[in-house]
Parts: sequence; structure tokens; C-alpha cells
Amino acid sequence: GEDVEQSLFLSVREGDSSVINCTYTDSSSTYLYWYKQEPGAGLQLLTYIFSNMDMKQDQRLTVLLNKKDKHLSLRIADTQTGDSAIYFCAEYSSASKIIFGSGTRLSIRP
Amino acid sequence: GAVVSQHPSRVICKSGTSVKIECRSLDFQATTMFWYRQFPKQSLMLMATSNEGSKATYEQGVEKDKFLINHASLTLSTLTVTSAHPEDSSFYICSASNGGPGTETLGTTEAFFGQGTRLTVV
Repeated sequence: GEDVEQSLFLSVREGDSSVINCTYTDSSSTYLYWYKQEPGAGLQLLTYIFSNMDMKQDQRLTVLLNKKDKHLSLRIADTQTGDSAIYFCAEYSSASKIIFGSGTRLSIRP
Repeated sequence: GAVVSQHPSRVICKSGTSVKIECRSLDFQATTMFWYRQFPKQSLMLMATSNEGSKATYEQGVEKDKFLINHASLTLSTLTVTSAHPEDSSFYICSASNGGPGTETLGTTEAFFGQGTRLTVV
């Protein structure tokens, strides 16, 4: 079956790096995504990675993919208060559906 | 980037009435649209997948007679919650996709999301 799991909460100090982890089960996933959701709003696509890539960097964001372990991570460098949100990991599954993780709520400490 | 407009953003309705939510892709043709429901502090649950001109495919446990989905054109899909009850109160989000994996139009297969509709049934 298709399943995506991530931890529910993460708290980091402002200026530090945040690392949000995700595991998925569908080894045939072609694309993996990170979405950001601010309170009361829809989802914003932050970044994505194709399944044949190991790493992708986009400004403060770094995505690492370990396909063997089906593990995906999102690193946010120099975390700011505006980064407070829920971050969803998602996969484009072999069944042509986008399956979401439970979301990780990132909070920033001063 | 591609924009998906979802309307209304908030709606309050009386129990027993029906509510229609619209999802429009503004600058691309959406071959597939997805409807999600999000419960408080929970992830998105896929309700149904709709392809333009054909019947929607509902996920297990989603009542197709209660959640009517129409995808009449490549830019518009609607979700109608019929005979709404308080337990239908939720945040509904649509997304529009430009196609399957390998689509080059936007560089990748992407699903663009509407801003969501907060439905409250009283």
C-alpha cells in the first residue's frame, strides 16, 4: 500500500537549521514533494525531487533522498519566524495519486 | 507559477442544505483535479480524483452521492456537499494537475493547490 510518514512536531531556534524527515513506502514513486501550509491557507509547493536524484538545493532549502531506505528530508537553513508552518511530505505514487504525510508542525524559538 | 482558484474560501451553511465549491485552474489546462479534506491538525485525505469529461474516482469510504464532483471542463471542477451535516464541517482543498509523470509543460508533474474552503455546517 501507499503510506507516507513524518513526525508531527519540530521546534528549532531562530537562525538554526531545521531538518524535517519523511519515509514513504511506494518504491515506484516518481516524484516526491515538500509542501508548506500556513494557518488557514492552502498548500504551497516548496520544492520537489525526481526519484533518480539524491539531492536538490534551492536557496535555503535542501532536499535529500535516500531511495534505498525510502527516506526523504527537507533542510531549511537559517530558519526564520516566517518559516513557522506545517510541512507536508508527499509522493506521486504508482497509482497516479499524490499521497501526503501527516505534516510536521515547525515552530521557531527566539 | 500556475494558479488554482478555489471559491468560496469560507462558507457557513445550515444542516440539510447543499454547498458547492469551485476549483478553477487559471493559466493551464488541468487534466486531473483532486479533492482533499483536511481535519483539524491532521493530514490531507484524498476524497476523489476527477478527470475532465469522465466520472470521478472516489476513495474508499467517501460517499459519492454525498460529495458530488463534476469536472466539466479542463479548467473547472466542482465539489457539492449535499445534505450537509455538522460532521461534514472541514477544510476542503482542491488541486489541479497538469498531467502524469514526465509532463514537460511545467517541468514536472505538479499539483497546484487552491487556497481551501472552510466549511462550517450549523
